[in-house]
Amino acid sequence: GENVEQHPSTLSVQEGDSAVIKCTYSDSASNYFPWYKQELGKGPQLIIDIRSNVGEKKDQRIAVTLNKTAKHFSLHITETQPEDSAVYFCAARSGYALNFGKGTSLLVTP
Amino acid sequence: GAGVSQSPRYKVAKRGQDVALRCDPISGHVSLFWYQQALGQGPEFLTYFQNEAQLDKSGLPSDRFFAERPEGSVSTLKIQRTQQEDSAVYLCASSLRRRQLASQETQYFGPGTRLLVL
Repeated sequence: GENVEQHPSTLSVQEGDSAVIKCTYSDSASNYFPWYKQELGKGPQLIIDIRSNVGEKKDQRIAVTLNKTAKHFSLHITETQPEDSAVYFCAARSGYALNFGKGTSLLVTP
Repeated sequence: GAGVSQSPRYKVAKRGQDVALRCDPISGHVSLFWYQQALGQGPEFLTYFQNEAQLDKSGLPSDRFFAERPEGSVSTLKIQRTQQEDSAVYLCASSLRRRQLASQETQYFGPGTRLLVL
């Protein structure tokens, strides 16, 4: 089955800096790659996603890149703010289910 | 509009008890998923429904876990004879699946039910 690796597990940045989270996947059939943000006590919330026929997608301060050949994709957050502090999960979809990474705990300090 | 809702939000059970967790998906969403999230981990797939049909239950960890969606809307995840290792957050997600689109639809998650088995 699909295996998704996510790095780093924790990330601390100063407000205004950029944050980058990287994921790799194993199943070449995976064709959809969402990123979710999860705050304490809440369910995951989709922040951005990318389909396999696109190499890059941007939404304001958030961007995602996909390299299908290398089977890796990355989340980039620019101009970080304290409210960006949360756990971020990448996921890859093959078949019905989403296969998630183990998460990155992002802390943005003022 | 209303998102995915789950109840109860918290459940404490004694080992050996049966529990039932409810999910109300977004109205009109055809697909419904259950995931299990252990502390400090990412969600792990349990089962998938398309309308009332359970198309994939490969992630259910044992025959003590059972899910149903009899009318194609509300779903219930039942755990029989709970054990301590069942302690986790159980997440429900739904998506709007249109026949003409490929299986690349967005999954919207509920807040989860936090189950603690003592």
